[in-house]
Amino acid sequence: QQQVKQSPQSLIVQKGGISIINCAYENTAFDYFPWYQQFPGKGPALLIAIRPDVSEKKEGRFTISFNKSAKQFSLHIMDSQPGDSATYFCAARWNAGNMLTFGGGTRLMVKP
Amino acid sequence: NAGVTQTPKFQVLKTGQSMTLQCAQDMNHNSMYWYRQDPGMGLRLIYYSASEGTTDKGEVPNGYNVSRLNKREFSLRLESAAPSQTSVYFCASRGTGTGYTFGSGTRLTVV
Repeated sequence: QQQVKQSPQSLIVQKGGISIINCAYENTAFDYFPWYQQFPGKGPALLIAIRPDVSEKKEGRFTISFNKSAKQFSLHIMDSQPGDSATYFCAARWNAGNMLTFGGGTRLMVKP
Repeated sequence: NAGVTQTPKFQVLKTGQSMTLQCAQDMNHNSMYWYRQDPGMGLRLIYYSASEGTTDKGEVPNGYNVSRLNKREFSLRLESAAPSQTSVYFCASRGTGTGYTFGSGTRLTVV
């Protein structure tokens, strides 16, 4: 069974602070690592993604750091805002894109 | 708006009842998926359809069946609902070279 382990389960950050969510995996066949953001009552939406041949990808305030040798990747949210309060899922893709394995999710709360 | 549409949004079933969750996408995507979301467990793949006319089991297929009716529609059926199937169900689709697009979910309670 493919697994992606995500931590922490919940996170409280002050407005303007840095939110960091970590994920670890075992399967070296994973070829694509997306992060999803989910607001209450909505489906997950793609936030940012990275391939294993890249060590970092930045889009606005969101950055993925990828450590292939350690089989770990993380999401950093700079200058966190109350509107960032949501549940975040890391994921890993395999089987020619037909399988997407999710981490357990992190509920982020950004306090004003 | 283009996207993935799921019906119904909410449903309460009695143990042993059956129902079908409907999903349709208008993005001309080849692949469609059914996931369930439970607290602390992320989303787990139930079944997927890589293309019209094909379906395959995912991580947690027991108690479910699927039908890929055409390229647009992918339904999930619970033949005899059990309390363990209480969950939020998400349908998703994926085109070539694109990421997954998720619907807004169906919240199912089995009592």
